[in-house]
Amino acid sequence: QQQVKQSPQSLIVQKGGISIINCAYENTAFDYFPWYQQFPGKGPALLIAIRPDVSEKKEGRFTISFNKSAKQFSLHIMDSQPGDSATYFCAARGNTGNQFYFGTGTSLTVIP
Amino acid sequence: NAGVMQNPRHLVRRRGQEARLRCSPMKGHSHVYWYRQLPEEGLKFMVYLQKENIIDESGMPKERFSAEFPKEGPSILRIQQVVRGDSAAYFCASSPGTPLTRPGTQYFGPGTRLTVL
Repeated sequence: QQQVKQSPQSLIVQKGGISIINCAYENTAFDYFPWYQQFPGKGPALLIAIRPDVSEKKEGRFTISFNKSAKQFSLHIMDSQPGDSATYFCAARGNTGNQFYFGTGTSLTVIP
Repeated sequence: NAGVMQNPRHLVRRRGQEARLRCSPMKGHSHVYWYRQLPEEGLKFMVYLQKENIIDESGMPKERFSAEFPKEGPSILRIQQVVRGDSAAYFCASSPGTPLTRPGTQYFGPGTRLTVL
């Protein structure tokens, strides 16, 4: 079963707008939550990550919001740019540390 | 510091042949993971290795697939007697850590795109 559920599947945003991608999980033992950005034909690249003892982390235009009680976390991209057009994956690290579970991805298109 | 290296980038095999995918982790990284990505899908965990040890292969198909990470050289994902359903992008990731610590963030290679004719 899908350990990390991601939505929406695709997203279209105007340049300068805010892109929001959501993820939810069930396993409370997950202890690390990274987001990856993937361009066509490339491998996923780490964008930003958060631990569950923090409610928010911001790096430049990218912010992760984390709601531990709701078991949800989201990626916000402020001032979205056409260069942000890519597929975004959320992930969670399992309690053994052996496995990272990935969401199914969100294809973001930023329209000029 | 060079990133994770994977080769070949593209691999074409006919049904029944063997596919060997190689992954060189980032310098100083002792943990290697292999993932498979089908079109329009996320990454599915296959196997987690440390040097000379398979730690977790719960995501690996029971038959035809094997992985190793020898003391010297790259990690190898081997697929025997490939079938069309094996066509996918295979990504390797590495992370720092020691056998006594939890692995850190994973850094991905560019992937090997396997096409089975």
